[in-house]
Amino acid sequence: QKEVEQNSGPLSVPEGAIASLNCTYSDRVSQSFFWYRQYSGKSPELIMSIYSNGDKEDGRFTAQLNKASQYVSLLIRDSQPSDSATYLCAVNIDSGYSTLTFGKGTMLLVSP
Amino acid sequence: ETGVTQSPTHLIKTRGQQVTLRCSSQSGHNTVSWYQQALGQGPQFIFQYYREEENGRGNFPPRFSGLQFPNYSSELNVNALELDDSALYLCASSLGGSSGGPREQYFGPGTRLTVT
Repeated sequence: QKEVEQNSGPLSVPEGAIASLNCTYSDRVSQSFFWYRQYSGKSPELIMSIYSNGDKEDGRFTAQLNKASQYVSLLIRDSQPSDSATYLCAVNIDSGYSTLTFGKGTMLLVSP
Repeated sequence: ETGVTQSPTHLIKTRGQQVTLRCSSQSGHNTVSWYQQALGQGPQFIFQYYREEENGRGNFPPRFSGLQFPNYSSELNVNALELDDSALYLCASSLGGSSGGPREQYFGPGTRLTVT
């Protein structure tokens, strides 16, 4: 059973702080990892992808991957109220076809 | 470059009825995946279409079926609707198949299905 686990939250941070979102996955064969942001009532929006161990930075977002620990995280620096959303971790296993297994998501609340 | 589009936006059906949802993939993408997202849950993979054939399927019964057309657009059909089918149905497009490379999937706005 391939599983992706996330803390459901809510994670509350003040404006300007660093928000740290975590995700663990069970399948060691997992190859690609994605973070999606989903505002209430909207569809998921891809914000970060990471494929190899280490850090990947894109603007205020940093994704971190540790395959040995089966752990992926997303850091949001200088959090803004507009970052308040549910963040979905998704794991891809390319086994002839490519599908995503999602966690349930972590709700982030950034207070002004 | 056009993004992923879905229709209709909202739909209300009665238990036992049938429904067809539609998706147009992002320009340049040849693979369409369908997901079901229940309230408070992450999206669950239904199936994927590549080159007009089903390329993979999640744990959904046969009353969930689909099609992909030569222009890579796709349909999701659900027969004999049940109350538990009420959910947000998401279509995601990607560049897949034997091309290798990343497998980023981009979602459309979704169709909210309510079964009463």
